[in-house]
Amino acid sequence: KAGVTQTPRYLIKTRGQQVTLSCSPISGHRSVSWYQQTPGQGLQFLFEYFSETQRNKGNFPGRFSGRQFSNSRSEMNVSTLELGDSALYLCASEGGDSTDTQYFGPGTRLTVL
Amino acid sequence: QQPVQSPQAVILREGEDAVINCSSSKALYSVHWYRQKHGEAPVFLMILLKGGEQKGHEKISASFNEKKQQSSLYLTASQLSYSGTYFCGTDPGGSEKLVFGKGTKLTVNP
Repeated sequence: KAGVTQTPRYLIKTRGQQVTLSCSPISGHRSVSWYQQTPGQGLQFLFEYFSETQRNKGNFPGRFSGRQFSNSRSEMNVSTLELGDSALYLCASEGGDSTDTQYFGPGTRLTVL
Repeated sequence: QQPVQSPQAVILREGEDAVINCSSSKALYSVHWYRQKHGEAPVFLMILLKGGEQKGHEKISASFNEKKQQSSLYLTASQLSYSGTYFCGTDPGGSEKLVFGKGTKLTVNP
């Protein structure tokens, strides 16, 4: 099976802009979770989508939003970018067994200038 | 709350063993272990579930003490490829999917 794919891999934006990141889960997986990774805060959970519905949500401001499509692909949007949003954004897909194992994609490296 | 990992860093020679610990202040449903190499995505190593079920790679072993909310990852006969940062992710069953520790940086030298 193909792994989790994320596009784009690298992105440079300026403060105030918005950005959309995309994640395609492993075929057959219906859950997609998003994480932000920074050197200071480590890996932090943003939100999880399952069957097009947000199932869990982390402690991030409303500027961070997401959605999931009927084919399980997910997008994450960040509006009004701030310098502190510079990070590696990882998505993880889950499904296929009862163990809730999450498999991470390669990530999108976002730099906000 | 974020689980606490120890040690923060460890340096080994090839063939040596290491133990990485993960401790949480909350009751846990499961503990997930990942290894991340610089510039790459975290790679799944092991999941330990409440009740004793485990799933992971054959060469990796781990334990989960549900009463103490602690887990340990055992790396035996380390190889150069084991180098990387190891994260434990805990599932306390709340609104957050997984809460990760700050990581343990493992360096294996020849």
